[in-house]
This record gives sequence, structure tokens and C-alpha cells, in this order.
Amino acid sequence: QSALTQPPSASGSPGQSVTISCTGTSSDVGGYNSVSWYQQHPGKAPKLMIHDFNERPSGVPDRFSASKSGNTASLTVSGLQADDEADYYCSAYSGTNNLVFGGGTKLTVL
Amino acid sequence: QVQLQESGPGLVMPSETLSLTCTISGGSFSSHYWTWIRQPPGKGLEYIAYIYHSGRTNYNPSLESRVTISLDTSKNQFSLTLSSVTAADTAIYYCAGLRATWWLEYWGQGTLVTVS
Repeated sequence: QSALTQPPSASGSPGQSVTISCTGTSSDVGGYNSVSWYQQHPGKAPKLMIHDFNERPSGVPDRFSASKSGNTASLTVSGLQADDEADYYCSAYSGTNNLVFGGGTKLTVL
Repeated sequence: QVQLQESGPGLVMPSETLSLTCTISGGSFSSHYWTWIRQPPGKGLEYIAYIYHSGRTNYNPSLESRVTISLDTSKNQFSLTLSSVTAADTAIYYCAGLRATWWLEYWGQGTLVTVS
């Protein structure tokens, strides 16, 4: 059982927006701005998409954005494209010097 | 651009020790916390440990009793050992570069280790 809770699946049609949630506690998601998001295509290593709550690394399109409210962080993918179909994982610093992950969300582009 | 490459046996017998090495190229050894992450087949990600260039280490409390992480700066490598393995330790093991605010900037391609 993962420390952070994500919906197992999400979907949207090309061009639409989809939001994936990541729920933790005040000891991790709610307590720090150290939430990050990763995209993983089948058979590939995860790729960093968002860090430090809502910072995008160079090369990640601005269609990817993040937000947080209380103990829940969210990743929004706007203007869905076929290549966005992948698994998405959130992670957060846990105050006990530990890094915790969500169970992952499979995003399907219909 | 930092590149990471895992190496080590793909098959380990139950109760024995898993050993993996990650070779870092294209970057500064002091720029990141060098980290091991694992992913059981079809499942989610799990943080294992990190080591800093100073030698400072940090372990996931759930694995700490069985894990050792070490570094060899002369070879630009860091290593993982996991003792007393069981089938539950079967996973893809990734090495990664962690930044100070706990985000994983660089990832190796991963190596599958099967305990059987």
C-alpha cells in the first residue's frame, strides 16, 4: 500500500484537460512544497515532469501544471496528446527524512 | 547532461545479498544525492536510500536493516547492497540523482533483479 493515494486511472480525449490527484497527510504533501510528478511510459524509466510543487524542468511543455490544496496535490495535463498516455506518479518529502510515492495513475488518451 | 547506468546480476537466490552498481557520467559528483529507487513488476515506485558525496547516507526506514549504500568517487560510482532477499525484493532497480528538495532529476534505465 502506497503512502500517497492516487486514482488508478484517468482518461480524456485529445485536446481535453485531465487532472490527477495525489492525497497524503500533513506530514508529507500538506507539510512541505516538495511534491514532484513523474511520467512513465511502458518499459521506460520515470521522467520528471514537475518539481517543488509547480516547477517544470526545461523541455517539459507548459501543458503540464500542478497545484496543491491542503493534503492533496494535483497534476493537470491540458491539451491532451497521444504521447501523454502513460503512468503518472506523485512523490513527496515525508518529514522523517523519507521520500514517499503514490501508487500511480494510468492516463489513457481516448 | 548526466547519465546513469545500473549494472549487476539479474538473478539472486533467496536469502542471499543483492548487489548493484551505478556509474555516473557527464556531471559533477557533488551536484546530487545519489539514490536508489525500485519498482516491482507492474507496481509503484519505492525509495530505498541516498548517499551524498560527503558520505552522508539516508535510508528508507522500512528497508534500513537490510540496506547499505556506498560510493567510490574515484570511479564515479555508487552501490547498493540488500541482504536476506526474498521474492518480494524482485523489482526493477533504478539509480537516480536526487536534488536537495527531494526531486529525482536524473534516472538510469533500470535493471531487473529477480529473486528466485
